[in-house]
Amino acid sequence: DAGITQSPRHKVTETGTPVTLRCHQTENHRYMYWYRQDPGHGLRLIHYSYGVKDTDKGEVSDGYSVSRSKTEDFLLTLESATSSQTSVYFCAISESRGGSSGKGSYEQYFGPGTRLTVT
Amino acid sequence: QKEVEQDPGPLSVPEGAIVSLNCTYSNSAFQYFMWYRQYSRKGPELLMYTYSSGNKEDGRFTAQVDKSSKYISLFIRDSQPSDSATYLCAMKATGTASKLTFGTGTRLQVTL
Repeated sequence: DAGITQSPRHKVTETGTPVTLRCHQTENHRYMYWYRQDPGHGLRLIHYSYGVKDTDKGEVSDGYSVSRSKTEDFLLTLESATSSQTSVYFCAISESRGGSSGKGSYEQYFGPGTRLTVT
Repeated sequence: QKEVEQDPGPLSVPEGAIVSLNCTYSNSAFQYFMWYRQYSRKGPELLMYTYSSGNKEDGRFTAQVDKSSKYISLFIRDSQPSDSATYLCAMKATGTASKLTFGTGTRLQVTL
C-alpha cells in the first residue's frame, strides 16, 4: 500500500462520540486525502491537504474536520459521530508533479482503509 | 446526473476471456484518466494511468481513451480468477489541483 498506514483498521463507536482516524505515510508526498466509500456512491472526497497546515474541503466535508501538523500524518476527526458516517474510510497520497511537457503526475495511492461503524 | 458513469455489474466471465470495462463522463475538462483495481476489503490499487486519447498497454491490460466521445475503457486479455475484483475509473480535470472524480466501480468475477 505504497507506505501508507491507517489506524485504527476497525472501529465501532456510539452516536455522538468523537472519533479520530489517522493516516501515516512514509513516502514524503505533498498531497494527502481522506475519502469515504459507500455502496452506490463510490469514493467521495471528504478533505484533502496540499501541505503542512494547508487543507481544503472536498464534496462531503460536513461533520468532518482534518489536521496536518507533519508531512507524514493526516488526521480525520468526526466531532460527533452519526449513523450516516458509518462507512469505509480511505486515506490516499499523491505527489502531484506538473510536467514541463504538460504531462502531469497526479496518481493517487491508497491506504488499506478503516471500517467505521456508528451505532 | 453524475459526472462519471460506470456500470456496477457484476460482470461474470470465464477464465481466458477478454474483458471490457467502461466509463462515460460528461465533463470535457477531464484530461487525466486512471483505472484502479480493488479487492474485497482492500484499498484501491492503481492499474493504469493515461492523459491522452488512444491506447496504452501494460501486460494484459489496455487502457483506451476517446475524448471526443467522453468514453474510456479498460481491456483485460486472458482474464484470470485473480482478476476478480472491483474496477474503478477515476478522472482529473485541468485546474483542479489533484482532485479525482471516481466512478462507482464495476465488479468483475472470473470463473474457472
